[in-house]
Amino acid sequence: GQNIDQPTEMTATEGAIVQINCTYQTSGFNGLFWYQQHAGEAPTFLSYNVLDGLEEKGRFSSFLSRSKGYSYLLLKELQMKDSASYLCAVRDSNYQLIWGAGTKLIIKP
Amino acid sequence: GAVVSQHPSRVICKSGTSVKIECRSLDFQATTMFWYRQFPKKSLMLMATSNEGSKATYEQGVEKDKFLINHASLTLSTLTVTSAHPEDSSFYICSAGNYNNEQFFGPGTRLTVL
Repeated sequence: GQNIDQPTEMTATEGAIVQINCTYQTSGFNGLFWYQQHAGEAPTFLSYNVLDGLEEKGRFSSFLSRSKGYSYLLLKELQMKDSASYLCAVRDSNYQLIWGAGTKLIIKP
Repeated sequence: GAVVSQHPSRVICKSGTSVKIECRSLDFQATTMFWYRQFPKKSLMLMATSNEGSKATYEQGVEKDKFLINHASLTLSTLTVTSAHPEDSSFYICSAGNYNNEQFFGPGTRLTVL
């Protein structure tokens, strides 16, 4: 079957760095997405990786290794507003999105 | 875990026809269902929110007469794109929310209007 695994919850300190991992097993691969979702709001697109390597976008970076079925989202200089759920999703060969359950990130002062 | 399905997964239709997309929560009751459209730059746009048995709440700029949403039961919501045109071609994603306000996303439906 197809599945996406990511930690349920993580806690980090304001100003620090946190890495949220995502491993996947899917039928084919057509890209991996990271979204941020604050409670009660629609998800916000953060990144899209289709090739191996690191994509940096400001304080957020996303890494992909297709051979390992692995990605991570790296958040630097954490701010209180970064407290949210982070969703990992993979598009398979049928163009279907397989979603992870999301990682709830709690930022403490 | 909570599973949300969408049907069809892919549809190609002629301009002017209507297309119905179903969203089902398979193993839980969804008090709320959300419909999104995913744009080429990957952002998700919330189109509407629907609660079972009541009318959907549409986001600003979304035509309610064009995108008909029905939330007939706690496990089923449908989105009908009426008189579809090529500009409606997109990836439509639903999500279902449970009593704990957790949200689970469906695999999406790829609509291509010729």
